[in-house]
Amino acid sequence: DIQMTQSPSSLSASVGDRVTITCRASQGIRNSLTWFQQKPGKVPKSVIYDASSLQSGVPSKFSGSGSGTDFTLTISSLQPEDFATYYCQQYDRHPFTFGGGTKVEIK
Amino acid sequence: EVQLVESGGGLVQPGGSLRLSCAASGFTLSDHYMDWVRQAPGKGLEWVGRTRNKAHSYTTEYAASVKGRFSISRDDSKNSLYLQMNSLKSEDTAVYYCVRGHNGFDIWGQGTMVTVSS
Repeated sequence: DIQMTQSPSSLSASVGDRVTITCRASQGIRNSLTWFQQKPGKVPKSVIYDASSLQSGVPSKFSGSGSGTDFTLTISSLQPEDFATYYCQQYDRHPFTFGGGTKVEIK
Repeated sequence: EVQLVESGGGLVQPGGSLRLSCAASGFTLSDHYMDWVRQAPGKGLEWVGRTRNKAHSYTTEYAASVKGRFSISRDDSKNSLYLQMNSLKSEDTAVYYCVRGHNGFDIWGQGTMVTVSS
């Protein structure tokens, strides 16, 4: 199975900060990577697919990059509604696998 | 509006069975790959399985943890997806989400809770 390793597992940031989360795959997955945002008690929401494509309706402050094994999710200017847990997931090969999550908290 | 609505969750004893349903609206189910994803209480996300679309003969894939116990099916006439869960274990306790496998995993249902306990 492909292991997805996210870092950091948590971070504290202030409103207006630029935040970057990384995700590393144990094998090359081309650009078959998606990022989800999940708030407590809520359904996960897709923000990025195919590593760098913005999901419909998602604000452009979110961006994704990478290919192969190393990927990043960047939030350009953190807002109160962005505090959540973010997960990466590969869908290049079965079984599809998720990263462990990165909790973005208010400093 | 594109929407997925799950139902069928509940409390079941270890070794028991349960069938989850997912009703799709706003799009044609047969055109799309569909997945099930679960989340145990306080834990991360785990992919359960996938059914491909009609053009790919509705073939299925499963996570090792559920293979041989869980089965995904669909009824396109009802625009519905199903997850048949047999030989349930305590570690299957989770919220189960029905997800459309388009542009990554773009549409999620609200989830249905399955609790396996005696």
